[in-house]
Amino acid sequence: DVKVTQSSRYLVKRTGEKVFLECVQDMDHENMFWYRQDPGLGLRLIYFSYDVKMKEKGDIPEGYSVSREKKERFSLILESASTNQTSMYLCASSSTGTGANEAFFGQGTRLTVV
Amino acid sequence: DAKTTQPPSMDCAEGRAANLPCNHSTISGNEYVYWYRQIHSQGPQYIIHGLKNNETNEMASLIITEDRKSSTLILPHATLRDTAVYYCIVRVDSGANNLFFGTGTRLTVIP
Repeated sequence: DVKVTQSSRYLVKRTGEKVFLECVQDMDHENMFWYRQDPGLGLRLIYFSYDVKMKEKGDIPEGYSVSREKKERFSLILESASTNQTSMYLCASSSTGTGANEAFFGQGTRLTVV
Repeated sequence: DAKTTQPPSMDCAEGRAANLPCNHSTISGNEYVYWYRQIHSQGPQYIIHGLKNNETNEMASLIITEDRKSSTLILPHATLRDTAVYYCIVRVDSGANNLFFGTGTRLTVIP
């Protein structure tokens, strides 16, 4: 069964902390994504990566950074967590190739910054 | 990528067909129509996609109009477990395969 695994379902962090959200996929996918989801706003893309060590900004990259040192792992970093980063964070992966390629999502990490 | 328009909410009786519409009037010739759904507190789940022709799989059917400006996702026999937010997305099969999610349609299946 194909899988995208996020390291935590729930996290509580303090304002100013450095926060790491980890995502691992076992499908050998080239592309990986980080989204955040807030009520009434749908999913918004933070960053994505189409190859190891490559990254591209999404719609709302401010306050975040990412790391992709290995193909299967994509990390989202909150350099100094703030209360407005309280949200549900979703990781996804997809392959690159001819034709359409669906994305597979993890279960999400609900982050609360206090 | 083309923008999509979906009704914010719909109800459907259990056992009946659920027909979820999506408008994508600015779709380009090389853009696919994708449908995902998100059950409460879970990550989105892929349902089906199509380019021009109607498509069917074990979960649903996708009907795309001839001009490709709109589509309908059909769940043939809705169950309570189909209660979810359904997202219609159109995109080019680009190298990054980015997905732009709108706010979707909240489908409630009623016993």
